[in-house]
Amino acid sequence: EVQLVEFGGGLVQPGGSLRLSCEASAFTFSNHWMGWVRKAPGKGLEWVADIKNDGSDTYYVDSVKGRFTISRDNAKNSLYLQMNSLRVEDTAEYYCARDNGRHYDFWGQGTLVTVSS
Amino acid sequence: EIVLTQSPATLSLSPGERATLSCRASQSVSSYIAWHQQKPGQPPRLLIYAASSRATGIPARFSGSGSGTDFTLTISSLEPEDFAVYYCQQRYNWPITFGQGTRLEIK
Repeated sequence: EVQLVEFGGGLVQPGGSLRLSCEASAFTFSNHWMGWVRKAPGKGLEWVADIKNDGSDTYYVDSVKGRFTISRDNAKNSLYLQMNSLRVEDTAEYYCARDNGRHYDFWGQGTLVTVSS
Repeated sequence: EIVLTQSPATLSLSPGERATLSCRASQSVSSYIAWHQQKPGQPPRLLIYAASSRATGIPARFSGSGSGTDFTLTISSLEPEDFAVYYCQQRYNWPITFGQGTRLEIK
């Protein structure tokens, strides 16, 4: 069974940094695009970033460009999201998801990021 | 950016009733619409992809239809566990976008 497990969430002050990780299992990680999606309290799902299966292409929502970096290590079956210059409005549950090219087909349980002073 | 507009925002129905949820795209996305269900405290779950194909393990009471800009998710007879928030999603063009969600609540 496909599993995605996120790590690294927590409480951080505005302007701070955090690195999220997602460990994948039970599928060939290097064959799949992967993405991060977030859900802020009281709001809907918002796409954050995506990365091609070999890491050669990345895409970001405008609100995180220049602050967040998505990356992956296919040897470790792991996906990452480096988040810098965090803002209060980045507070959300962050989900790792497998992207099959046209939609997300599997989701992790999520990790909570809280940006507050 | 392709904007997905879902309606209604909230739908109040009783178990056993039929639910019809709508998703309208600001431009054509062909058939590349997916529907996800999210319950409180849980991650989203894929229900429908390519507008009308059910994901693995999804009950037959869930069905999807549409193409171009207008899409529908239908739940033929609501079960208690179906009360949740439903999102449509497109990956036809960057950026990936989601609709704002339809909350399906018990009447």
